[in-house]
Amino acid sequence: RKEVEQDPGPFNVPEGATVAFNCTYSNSASQSFFWYRQDCRKEPKLLMSVYSSGNEDGRFTAQLNRASQYISLLIRDSKLSDSATYLCVVNSPYNQGGKLIFGQGTELSVKP
Amino acid sequence: DTEVTQTPKHLVMGMTNKKSLKCEQHMGHRAMYWYKQKAKKPPELMFVYSYEKLSINESVPSRFSPECPNSSLLNLHLHALQPEDSALYLCASSQDWTGGGEQYFGPGTRLTVT
Repeated sequence: RKEVEQDPGPFNVPEGATVAFNCTYSNSASQSFFWYRQDCRKEPKLLMSVYSSGNEDGRFTAQLNRASQYISLLIRDSKLSDSATYLCVVNSPYNQGGKLIFGQGTELSVKP
Repeated sequence: DTEVTQTPKHLVMGMTNKKSLKCEQHMGHRAMYWYKQKAKKPPELMFVYSYEKLSINESVPSRFSPECPNSSLLNLHLHALQPEDSALYLCASSQDWTGGGEQYFGPGTRLTVT
């Protein structure tokens, strides 16, 4: 089982649609959780950190369920500029290496 | 300011060349990282520096040699690379390595080995 698993893509949605990405992680001791977006041939950029209480930033909402080891990202009213690959990222505990573990990424294409 | 800078943006080198990649951050971060990313794959960790000391080497071949001259700078020295080493090389930094906080990535150096 992969340490971080994401929905396989690509997701092709029309402008204005709501799209949800899901992610599961295998290490219950993981300590922090993130969503990054990566545009083609660019670096990953931090989109949101994910907290147990859930957090929202404009059109983006992230949720964490530690009991189910599940992370989600909801994008409302999607824009053409949201087209990118979304990476679910989990930080392993320091005593287990303290490394970022990346999912394989989910590609989103928003069409006019 | 969450900026990490990298130079050069693009690099083409032969298998007998020696070159260096450079990374700089001025956020006061004490952890810096090198990653390698191939097309359609997530970044793979290569090295972690914490407080200017090498903390993790992910069994990277010795033809890649990292160096951390000070807390703001990170270099990656390249020598006798192979064509399969062609990739996007990303530098990242974070407040520290143990806190589990966000990492910020530079724009990367796109390396082609001929």
